[in-house]
Amino acid sequence: GAVVSQHPSRVICKSGTSVKIECRSLDFQATTMFWYRQFPKKSLMLMATSNEGSKATYEQGVEKDKFLINHASLTLSTLTVTSAHPEDSSFYICSVFQTNTQYFGPGTRLTVL
Amino acid sequence: GDSVTQMEGPVTLSEEAFLTINCTYTATGYPSLFWYVQYPGEGLQLLLKATKADDKGSNKGFEATYRKETTSFHLEKGSVQVSDSAVYFCALRGSGGGGNKLTFGTGTQLKVEL
Repeated sequence: GAVVSQHPSRVICKSGTSVKIECRSLDFQATTMFWYRQFPKKSLMLMATSNEGSKATYEQGVEKDKFLINHASLTLSTLTVTSAHPEDSSFYICSVFQTNTQYFGPGTRLTVL
Repeated sequence: GDSVTQMEGPVTLSEEAFLTINCTYTATGYPSLFWYVQYPGEGLQLLLKATKADDKGSNKGFEATYRKETTSFHLEKGSVQVSDSAVYFCALRGSGGGGNKLTFGTGTQLKVEL
């Protein structure tokens, strides 16, 4: 299946700063990528669907101005958490869709102090 | 809408014990079903999948059969190892107009002890 990487794997930032997380499809050109958020000991919550060359589609309740998504190429999607606050601390995971299956990246642990 | 229900964990087993993690779903039409595994601090890895009724997905000794009559996709393994300790997620991809989104269960933590 598709190989997906994320960078950074872990980031700590101060409250009020912005953080960018990259998701790369290493061996597959992905027109669609997904961004999930996972709370401790909880399931994954789909935040948005990232579409190459067009605006992302956000799930209900997800602030699009807070979580900026850019899918500038077929191999790269970025999630920027703007003006981060401690409640944004979480595990963020991206995935790509290939042949009826989603393949996930290793995740990024964001801690906002 | 679509939903997935998994048995609550944690499930604690001794090495070489038999494993069953129950998963049932609600969906219209003919969804595709998946099991993903998440090791501590990592993302999700696809474990197995089934795309139509009566299909059996299998990988690394794990199996699950798509049962449409009972809307279930239970995960089984005949003999677990300590290295199988992880969180297991059941998920479905609907066949309706929801695109390629996945709906996940809440996850079941498995702990295997010597």
